[in-house]
Amino acid sequence: LAKTTQPISMDSYEGQEVNITCSHNNIATNDYITWYQQFPSQGPRFIIQGYKTKVTNEVASLFIPADRKSSTLSLPRVSLSDTAVYYCLGSGGSYIPTFGRGTSLIVHP
Amino acid sequence: SAVISQKPSRDICQRGTSLTIQCQVDSQVTMMFWYRQQPGQSLTLIATANQGSEATYESGFVIDKFPISRPNLTFSTLTVSNMSPEDSSIYLCSVFRDTGELFFGEGSRLTVL
Repeated sequence: LAKTTQPISMDSYEGQEVNITCSHNNIATNDYITWYQQFPSQGPRFIIQGYKTKVTNEVASLFIPADRKSSTLSLPRVSLSDTAVYYCLGSGGSYIPTFGRGTSLIVHP
Repeated sequence: SAVISQKPSRDICQRGTSLTIQCQVDSQVTMMFWYRQQPGQSLTLIATANQGSEATYESGFVIDKFPISRPNLTFSTLTVSNMSPEDSSIYLCSVFRDTGELFFGEGSRLTVL
C-alpha cells in the first residue's frame, strides 16, 4: 500500500495559486498518483491523475518528479468554492485504494 | 462514467439494532469498496466486496460486525450490526472506472442514539 503524507491544513486567498504536496515514498512501480477533492457531506471526487512528469486538465495541474516519491497538486487562482479536503493516493497497481489524512484547504475572501 | 446510488442517504438508529446499506452501480464492476468516514476524519477502508467470493476485510473490521453481500456485479450491501454510538459515521461505497478513477456514492449518514 502506498502510504501518503500531506499537510493537515492550508490557508489561501481568492485568486492565489495553491500548491499541495504529498509524499508517497513507497509507491508501487505500477501505481498511478491520483488526487481527490471532498466537500462536506459528499463523497470524494476525482480531480487529476498522473504517473510521472506533469499532467494538466481544466481544473488543476499535477507535478510528479522522476523518483515519484512525491507529487504536487497545483490549483490556479483558487476561489471560495475550492475550500475542501484534498487527498492524494497511489492506486491502480495494488487495487487497494487507501486514503491518508488529506489536506483541508480554506480559501479566504 | 459509473453512477452509484446508495440507500439510505441517512438514518437514525437505536443502539443494538442493525442497518443494511445498499449500493447500486449502473455498470458491471469487479470490485466494490466500502469505506467509513467518522466525523472530521479521513476515509477508512472497511472491506473490498468481490462478486462470488467472501469480502476481504481490512485490519480492525470483521465480518460479524460488518457483513457484506455481493450477489452480482452491480450491487452490494453493507450491514452495520449491533450498532453503538461509535458507529455513527458516513458509509460510502465506491468503484473503479476503467481509467483508474474511483467513483463514490453520495454516502449514507448513520446516527446511532
